[in-house]
Amino acid sequence: SQTIHQWPATLVQPVGSPLSLECTVEGTSNPNLYWYRQAAGRGLQLLFYSVGIGQISSEVPQNLSASRPQDRQFILSSKKLLLSDSGFYLCAGRDGGVGEQFFGPGTRLTVL
Amino acid sequence: SQELEQSPQSLIVQEGKNLTINCTSSKTLYGLYWYKQKYGEGLIFLMMLQKGGEEKSHEKITAKLDEKKQQSSLHITASQPSHAGIYLCGADPSGGYQKVTFGTGTKLQVIP
Repeated sequence: SQTIHQWPATLVQPVGSPLSLECTVEGTSNPNLYWYRQAAGRGLQLLFYSVGIGQISSEVPQNLSASRPQDRQFILSSKKLLLSDSGFYLCAGRDGGVGEQFFGPGTRLTVL
Repeated sequence: SQELEQSPQSLIVQEGKNLTINCTSSKTLYGLYWYKQKYGEGLIFLMMLQKGGEEKSHEKITAKLDEKKQQSSLHITASQPSHAGIYLCGADPSGGYQKVTFGTGTKLQVIP
């Protein structure tokens, strides 16, 4: 099974500063990768997903972008953070686009 | 787009009591997943259901997918404090296996 690593675990950033969250995957090749944001400890909002290197699908127009420079690396970025970007960000992987997703431990982002 | 609604939104039960969480879809479910999340952590996969009428169990947790494949239930027997957390259902939208839609989540507290 896959293991998803995310860092940092927590992050406090001022409004207008840049962001880079990294996600790496172990135990599989060519996974589908996902970035989710979770507000108020509840449902997950899909932000981006990728089926391969350099292939990114955006689900929600916003202040964020994603990149997949390597097969097992997925990065979430922003040039200028907004207060509304605060939340709990989760990276997930999935083998071949079917079956269960494996989730990382998450990054709690607070924008002040 | 597919929407998943979970009920109840939150639940407080006495240890040893049984409980049920429901997940209702606006469209036919082609794959239904149940996850558990502890506050501030990633999601842990519990079970996947695909066939109408399917039922799966793991320890004291049983999940069912109804015959029409538009509703799933998660039943916990003789609840324990270790069952506390947020339970989320997720589904594959029809015709596509890349994206997973998640429900709003059910927060469960078990009082010793």
